Amino acid sequence: GAVVSQHPSWVICKSGTSVKIECRSLDFQATTMFWYRQFPKQSLMLMATSNEGSKATYEQGVEKDKFLINHASLTLSTLTVTSAHPEDSSFYICSASETSGGVQETQYFGPGTRLLVL
Amino acid sequence: AQSVTQPDIHITVSEGASLELRCNYSYGATPYLFWYVQSPGQGLQLLLKYFSGDTLVQGIKGFEAEFKRSQSSFNLRKPSVHWSDAAEYFCAVGVNDYKLSFGAGTTVTVRA
Repeated sequence: GAVVSQHPSWVICKSGTSVKIECRSLDFQATTMFWYRQFPKQSLMLMATSNEGSKATYEQGVEKDKFLINHASLTLSTLTVTSAHPEDSSFYICSASETSGGVQETQYFGPGTRLLVL
Repeated sequence: AQSVTQPDIHITVSEGASLELRCNYSYGATPYLFWYVQSPGQGLQLLLKYFSGDTLVQGIKGFEAEFKRSQSSFNLRKPSVHWSDAAEYFCAVGVNDYKLSFGAGTTVTVRA
């Protein structure tokens, strides 16, 4: 099946620094990529949706200037947490879809990146 | 707004026993329904999905789920659990775009 990777798998950083997380589709072209955030013992919350070559669409309550998303190619999307603070500590998961045909298209999920901001 | 409820936070089941995970949704139209499994350190894997047609859906790894419109439910079942089925299970509902709304998840522990 389709494989999605994330790098790094975990990162620890100091408060105020920026962290970039990469999401790659390894064996398919991802027209659409999604970024989720998961708190311990809670469900995944969609942060934003991005299509290759266009600006990301952010969910209500997600600061687009804090969580910068770039989907520059059909196999790579990046999430940059700018000026990270301890409350940004979380598990970030990306997913990718081969088409833009809607929710009936399967999303393939990456293994997630655990961010700890000290 | 759509929502997904998984009433059971944690279920412990003996190896070889049957398993049923509950999922209830709130959505105005006929939803797209999904079950995903998340093993430690791994991404979510799609077990099965329902869009239309036969309300009993077969998935991978021996799982099945039944859509019951009258109960707004989409429960996941497996007749005989294996130790490798220990994981976190998420029910999700899709809306008329790309978005998935996930339940809080159910942790399954399998005892020998």
